Amino acid sequence: NAGVTQTPKFRVLKTGQSMTLLCAQDMNHEYMYWYRQDPGMGLRLIHYSVGEGTTAKGEVPDGYNVSRLKKQNFLLGLESAAPSQTSVYFCASSYSESADTQYFGPGTRLTVL
Amino acid sequence: DQQVKQNSPSLSVQEGRISILNCDYTNSMFDYFLWYKKYPAEGPTFLISISSIKDKNEDGRFTVFLNKSAKHLSLHIVPSQPGDSAVYFCAASYSGNTGKLIFGQGTTLQVKP
Repeated sequence: NAGVTQTPKFRVLKTGQSMTLLCAQDMNHEYMYWYRQDPGMGLRLIHYSVGEGTTAKGEVPDGYNVSRLKKQNFLLGLESAAPSQTSVYFCASSYSESADTQYFGPGTRLTVL
Repeated sequence: DQQVKQNSPSLSVQEGRISILNCDYTNSMFDYFLWYKKYPAEGPTFLISISSIKDKNEDGRFTVFLNKSAKHLSLHIVPSQPGDSAVYFCAASYSGNTGKLIFGQGTTLQVKP
């Protein structure tokens, strides 16, 4: 039981490049979330999903797209990376809407030059 | 607009003493509050939570107090241990919000041996 895993762990991009971050969970959770963490800002919600095939915008969705084609996977895409997207990205999953059940992945550190 | 605020970026205490971490919120709709703990290079892990119908919740060395009139909550760690050294995030949510969490900026706790 790996819990929540994120791929890759680190990535450096040039401005304008694209990439996809993968989040996978093996707990059969319905809810999945993408957050970004910036110094002095805490974690902010980018997008979330309440089930396979569904996605919704969070607090800071601009510049990102997501897909949830399979229940266990939640993909976060950057179509044209910008330096402002330099951050640490965390994925989380939950089996219910009850907030204390969110399990977080180890994070992806992304640098955009 | 920061709805959840942790005004102390850092806190240093001696091993065995009490650690008190504070959090303030502005949104009256919040009815569920959580504390997450985060070690470097790891994702946040759930620590303790409290519903707005309570004013105190205990779990071993950790106690969370909620003062709804002041829109303030605090986390008490007694006694503090070096292994408690981490970043602590306060988070809030409200019913029907699909589990979305609003995080504070975090407080780095250092417990000195």
